[in-house]
Amino acid sequence: DQQVKQNSPSLSVQEGRISILNCDYTNSMFDYFLWYKKYPAEGPTFLISISSIKDKNEDGRFTVFLNKSAKHLSLHIVPSQPGDSAVYFCAASSSGNQFYFGTGTSLTVIP
Amino acid sequence: EAGVAQSPRYKIIEKRQSVAFWCNPISGHATLYWYQQILGQGPKLLIQFQNNGVVDDSQLPKDRFSAERLKGVDSTLKIQPAKLEDSAVYLCASSFAASWGMTYEQYFGPGTRLTVT
Repeated sequence: DQQVKQNSPSLSVQEGRISILNCDYTNSMFDYFLWYKKYPAEGPTFLISISSIKDKNEDGRFTVFLNKSAKHLSLHIVPSQPGDSAVYFCAASSSGNQFYFGTGTSLTVIP
Repeated sequence: EAGVAQSPRYKIIEKRQSVAFWCNPISGHATLYWYQQILGQGPKLLIQFQNNGVVDDSQLPKDRFSAERLKGVDSTLKIQPAKLEDSAVYLCASSFAASWGMTYEQYFGPGTRLTVT
């Protein structure tokens, strides 16, 4: 049962443009969400998080938006850079336990 | 600050053999996680420790998988006997203690790529 879904396996964006990665979840008990970035042959690296009491969190070029009614979150990267090319995973948990990950979206930023 | 260490990085075994993976978390991190990532999928939590106690092992196939964290620091994950479908990357992660209403990001190790032939 896939409780966290990333329906776009891949995304290509021109350098300097905005990248938008989407994530949907089914469990209304999830109250904490994270985005991870993964390069080949490395473990995922934490990028940004948001708790359910907020609807937006920003960190430099990265912004995460949370729409609780739609059970949807998105990661915006502005401006996109070639070094952002990686696989991005969203993850969700309820009260800090049992983190569920999506299947990932492979982002390619074209110079 | 040293990151999460895992060994070995790669392991090839035949089905029905046994294998063990080792993880050393970031110093001071009370919570340790083992994940299984099958090719093309996201990481799936196998077991979560808080210090040396198990918080969640609901997705651990207990007939063949076992894990321990005896002194609340290092951890080992064992598979015995291995099956073909166990071929995956095994990721270890650690975080500060998670408490209700507040969570901390997990820091991942590089993973161990297991191939079962």
